[in-house]
Amino acid sequence: DAGVIQSPRHEVTEMGQEVTLRCKPISGHNSLFWYRQTMMRGLELLIYFNNNVPIDDSGMPEDRFSAKMPNASFSTLKIQPSEPRDSAVYFCASSFGRSEQFFGPGTRLTVL
Amino acid sequence: KNQVEQSPQSLIILEGKNCTLQCNYTVSPFSNLRWYKQDTGRGPVSLTIMTFSENTKSNGRYTATLDADTKQSSLHITASQLSDSASYICVVSGETGANNLFFGTGTRLTVIP
Repeated sequence: DAGVIQSPRHEVTEMGQEVTLRCKPISGHNSLFWYRQTMMRGLELLIYFNNNVPIDDSGMPEDRFSAKMPNASFSTLKIQPSEPRDSAVYFCASSFGRSEQFFGPGTRLTVL
Repeated sequence: KNQVEQSPQSLIILEGKNCTLQCNYTVSPFSNLRWYKQDTGRGPVSLTIMTFSENTKSNGRYTATLDADTKQSSLHITASQLSDSASYICVVSGETGANNLFFGTGTRLTVIP
């Protein structure tokens, strides 16, 4: 298995633009997590899906952030409009139930 | 308040030396505690997982300990190698829900030759 796949690996955009991050979880996993990591705050859970259904989005910072999981093999995290304070590394992770989470390589987002 | 605190924030050691990283938590109820290793530019990778009844668990040169009474865990690295340079993150899982995870901010370890 190729592991969790994320794209793009790097994204540089200007303030106000829409950003879409993509994730393909490990086949067979039924839970998917989006995280944000910054130097100041470390890893923060943004949203968690189970069987493609959003279970807890209390970590989503504000309405500018949205996430979807249209099927078991694909999820997106969208920021619209983006702001410089959104600059961070965004990780997607997947697991089977409460077992170990496997993280993707992350997307480094820079908003100018 | 559920919190996970790690110390030190950063650490530099000579290759071949041992070191110990600390994790203190206030998460309750408690389900398990994981140590992750995160190489620069990559996602975290699980090293060990410990449940309430486990005191020690080893994974090669990595040995994790857990004292559930004092809510403390440590990660001991023996005979460090240059490849051990990474951030080590302590993650505590509460008892309710797969998403009930509390993350430490990590210890940045640098092993120098």
